[in-house]
Amino acid sequence: DIHMTQSPSSLSASVGDRVTITCQASQDISKNLNWYQHISGRAPKLLIYDASTLETGVPSRFSGSGSGRDFTFTISGLQPEDVATYYCQQYDVLLTFGGGTKVEIK
Amino acid sequence: QVQLQESGPGVVKPSETLSLTCTVSGASMETYYGTWVRQAPGKGLEWIGYIYSTGTSDYNPSLQSRVSMSVDTSKNQFSLELRSVTAADTAVYFCARGFDSTAYYLAFWGQGTLVTVSS
Repeated sequence: DIHMTQSPSSLSASVGDRVTITCQASQDISKNLNWYQHISGRAPKLLIYDASTLETGVPSRFSGSGSGRDFTFTISGLQPEDVATYYCQQYDVLLTFGGGTKVEIK
Repeated sequence: QVQLQESGPGVVKPSETLSLTCTVSGASMETYYGTWVRQAPGKGLEWIGYIYSTGTSDYNPSLQSRVSMSVDTSKNQFSLELRSVTAADTAVYFCARGFDSTAYYLAFWGQGTLVTVSS
């Protein structure tokens, strides 16, 4: 099984701040990684796929990078509507989600 | 616009079988995978498994002994069965579908349905 370790588990930042979340795979997964936004009470939303490709309609303040075992997700200019939990998900071998990062406004 | 909707009982007794169905509208399930994901209270997302339109499936190894999935392309539906449930299976269950014919990219989701395991 591939295990995904996300950090931090939660963070608080001010509107306009740059927010960075990391995700580490237990083995090399190339670029087989997606990022989702999950607002409580709603369906999760695919933001980035293949580690760095922005899904259609997703604001450009969201970005992703990385390959192999280490990945980064960034919000460049946090907005109030970005309050959510963010998950990485690998698809190199079956599917696995990271533990999630809860993002709040300070 | 692809839409998914989960349906099934909201309460299941311990040791019994949880059964849910996902109905897809706005697009055919032919040549697509249907995926189930759950979120227990206070926990993160957990992949349960997926099934292709031909019936081929893969499951989370931690649940494999209790899970089965089926698909009915004529009704544009796919289903989940989870046997011998316990309180630990209480969760919001989501169905999802990808934007292409792989199981990788979960672009379309249902709103989720809460299933409580309780006597």
